[in-house]
Amino acid sequence: SYVLTQPPSVSVAPGQTARITCGGNNIGSRSVHWYQQKPGQAPVLVVYDDSDRPSGIPERFSGSNSGNTATLTITRVEAGDEADYYCQVWDNSNDHPVFGGGTKLTVL
Amino acid sequence: EVQLVQSGAEVKKPGESLKIACKGSGYSFTIYWIAWVRQMPGKGLEWMGIIHPGDSDTTYSPSFQGQVTISADKSINTAYLQWNSLKASDTAMYYCARRNWFSGSNRFDLWGQGTLVTVSS
Repeated sequence: SYVLTQPPSVSVAPGQTARITCGGNNIGSRSVHWYQQKPGQAPVLVVYDDSDRPSGIPERFSGSNSGNTATLTITRVEAGDEADYYCQVWDNSNDHPVFGGGTKLTVL
Repeated sequence: EVQLVQSGAEVKKPGESLKIACKGSGYSFTIYWIAWVRQMPGKGLEWMGIIHPGDSDTTYSPSFQGQVTISADKSINTAYLQWNSLKASDTAMYYCARRNWFSGSNRFDLWGQGTLVTVSS
């Protein structure tokens, strides 16, 4: 089955840029979606179809996807961005979703 | 308001049965698939299965096949996740999520608030 690999943690200072990666075999050929989960809350979709943002999500959140790596980029990081971030694709061969293991973003 | 509202937290003993609910409102419930996702304490998201409320077509993750039952009642816009015999290892937060599959995207664009299930003797 398809596997998505994320770094367990990423740390960044306020105001800097955070990049969270999601690795998978030829992931560039798939649509990648990103979810933010703050402590004690349900996940929220922040980027879909590699680089689109749902309404209400700040422009500071963006995504890219090429080759074997998709990336969620958060510019001008704020303390409120501290959360777990998960990538997700759809495994068409098995017709089910696949989630990455999640990355904890720490704002220093 | 478009939302998924889940039933409240549960505390059960091993061997007991349980059915938790996820009620959709503010959108056409029967045309979007509803997935169930487990999150064990301190861990990541695990897909359990998915149901189409319109015709109750259901698919399970191999990891959860035979362990749980997913169902839906379209007359009351509600999906369910059910256990016949709970184990301590079922202790987790359970989320329902709406699958937006239009244009081939297959993303989860709406989530319930979660139902915490605690199984302890």
